[in-house]
Amino acid sequence: TQLLEQSPQFLSIQEGENLTVYCNSSSVFSSLQWYRQEPGEGPVLLVTVVTGGEVKKLKRLTFQFGDARKDSSLHITAAQPGDTGLYLCARGGNNAGNMLTFGGGTRLMVKP
Amino acid sequence: DTGVSQDPRHKITKRGQNVTFRCDPISEHNRLYWYRQTLGQGPEFLTYFQNEAQLEKSRLLSDRFSAERPKGSFSTLEIQRTEQGDSAMYLCASSYSIHNEKLFFGSGTQLSVL
Repeated sequence: TQLLEQSPQFLSIQEGENLTVYCNSSSVFSSLQWYRQEPGEGPVLLVTVVTGGEVKKLKRLTFQFGDARKDSSLHITAAQPGDTGLYLCARGGNNAGNMLTFGGGTRLMVKP
Repeated sequence: DTGVSQDPRHKITKRGQNVTFRCDPISEHNRLYWYRQTLGQGPEFLTYFQNEAQLEKSRLLSDRFSAERPKGSFSTLEIQRTEQGDSAMYLCASSYSIHNEKLFFGSGTQLSVL
């Protein structure tokens, strides 16, 4: 059972389009991370957000943390085929071990 | 440092056999995590070590699963009497406790139980 809901589950777009994917929970996050995972590889950390309302940018990627720290979004501008992959959000654990709880992911395909 | 290393990358086994996976974390990292990921899902936490101590185990980790980190460096995950439902990608991650937020994942071991 995934405690984090990610939407959409699948997204197929053309190169150059913009897109937004979402991560939602009914409970407050202590922190939230976004990862990208390519087939046959492990997830790679993109960003960590910890403050409600926080916005972080990573080149064409913009990450936003909701004011109430219950949701987050990832916006990609002018998507490229290299952006293709599984985008995962993960909430930090409320403990010293930081066991992450992952959402089910959004599988993005960007067609040239 | 080459990052987190997992071996083997792929394992095919028959139901009922035992399998063992190895994870070599980034050398200065004192925390090591095992996750399992099935097709179309996000990774699910299995267990976590700080140095050689296993500090947390998920209810997903049945008694057929055992993990060790004998010297606080590499770790092994053993599955006894494998079942078809064990087929998944087994991911290892490591971190340094001061940098609590940053997990580095290996490429995983893909297990197929026939």
